[in-house]
Amino acid sequence: GAVVSQHPSWVICKSGTSVKIECRSLDFQATTMFWYRQFPKQSLMLMATSNEGSKATYEQGVEKDKFLINHASLTLSTLTVTSAHPEDSSFYICSARSFGQNSSPLHFGNGTRLTVT
Amino acid sequence: RKEVEQDPGPFNVPEGATVAFNCTYSNSASQSFFWYRQDCRKEPKLLMSVYSSGNEDGRFTAQLNRASQYISLLIRDSKLSDSATYLCVVTPTDSWGKLQFGAGTQVVVTP
Repeated sequence: GAVVSQHPSWVICKSGTSVKIECRSLDFQATTMFWYRQFPKQSLMLMATSNEGSKATYEQGVEKDKFLINHASLTLSTLTVTSAHPEDSSFYICSARSFGQNSSPLHFGNGTRLTVT
Repeated sequence: RKEVEQDPGPFNVPEGATVAFNCTYSNSASQSFFWYRQDCRKEPKLLMSVYSSGNEDGRFTAQLNRASQYISLLIRDSKLSDSATYLCVVTPTDSWGKLQFGAGTQVVVTP
C-alpha cells in the first residue's frame, strides 16, 4: 500500500537553530501534503497544506515565516522550523493522499519528535 | 463547539471484554469518516474507514449515524494490544483533504 516516509524521526537542537523535516511519498504522487503538530495528550493540529509547485496554505495562528514549507516535487515536501525555541518542541507529522482520491484516507509519516533545548 | 468531539476516556477494559465509544461531528455535509489508531509517541495509523451501511473488520465494527451525526467503534474480545488512542477523523465536503480530527479516545485493556 501507499507509504509516506518522514525523516528524521528524532531531532534535538539548540534554541535559535533551524531544523528541516522531510516528508516523502514512496509509491505514489502527492500533489498535496499536510503538516500537523501534536503536543502531549492533545489532538493533531493541522499547521499547513503543502501544494506542489505553489505556496503552502497556513492555518490561522501558524507563522509562515517560522515554519517554511517547500513542496518542490510530487513526492517530497519539507518543513523547516526556523530559529527554533523550546516552545516549538513537539511531535510533527506529515501526511499525504494519492492524487484525485478525495475519499481515500490519509497516509501518515512516522512523525518527527523535535526537542529544542 | 468543536467540529469533531470524542470522549477522551480512558476506557479501562478487561481483556476479552467489549468496548464501544462514539464520535460526534458538527458538519452535516461531512463526506468521509475514518477511525485511526495512535499508539503513544507514534503516528496515527488507519484502523478502518466507516461506510454508510456500517462495516466490520475482524473484532472491530464501525457504524455511521448521519441523522444524529456520529460514528461509533466497537471492539470485541479486547486484546492487550488494543490499548491505544482511537482518533475519529472526518472529511468535510467543502475542504478537500483537510481532515478534521477528534482529540481521541484512550482505551486501556487490562489483564
